[in-house]
Amino acid sequence: QVQLQQSGPGLVKPSQTLSLTCTVSGVSMNSGSFYWSWIRQPAGKGLEWIGRLDISGNPDYNPSLKSRVTISADMSKNQFSLSLTSVTAADTAVYYCALEGRTRGERYFDYWGQGNLVTVSS
Amino acid sequence: QSALTQPASLSVSPGQSITISCTGTSSDIGTYNLVSWYQQHPGKAPRLMIYEGTKRPSGISIRFSGSRSGNTASLTISEVQSEDEADYYCCSYAGNIAFWVFGGGTKLTVL
Repeated sequence: QVQLQQSGPGLVKPSQTLSLTCTVSGVSMNSGSFYWSWIRQPAGKGLEWIGRLDISGNPDYNPSLKSRVTISADMSKNQFSLSLTSVTAADTAVYYCALEGRTRGERYFDYWGQGNLVTVSS
Repeated sequence: QSALTQPASLSVSPGQSITISCTGTSSDIGTYNLVSWYQQHPGKAPRLMIYEGTKRPSGISIRFSGSRSGNTASLTISEVQSEDEADYYCCSYAGNIAFWVFGGGTKLTVL
């Protein structure tokens, strides 16, 4: 079955770059079946969509984060990654990777990673 | 502040029904039939419960149903059980600028 395994540091200093990786198993990213997405959740708050990438290589980003976010993919490793620059305490959150279906009738987030708590602190 | 508006908390007795509302705008729920609902237990990743406003994925109890009218979507849980106690989030597609927006979440307490 499809599984997503996240990895990355849990502590990032202010003004530095947050980097997380999501390893996909059970489906090849080359299949083109999904958008590869990142979503975050500050403690005690709601979910926020960060952005997505698909097999075409064209990313879509949340307008409020667009200037600081990069989502990339390593197809050979079946992985995709999130980079968020110039972080502040407001970026402290649990970060999830998720797969969004690309085809009609599958436009939802069906598969999720386990979540990474990333704390921004010196 | 979240783009979609949900009640922050609701409570219900076991066996009763409860409806969670999600209010958006004509730029999201009112235009796109792409509303999904997610259940989240503490410390866990969200779980898809409803998609395209009314459809239930395989494996989701028929006690969960969704509806959409105008700029508002709703999730109804019938015959509530203790295991339904969780946070619930609505989500809607919002076009090629905002893409996906979420509600702030509703904490459902089963009394």
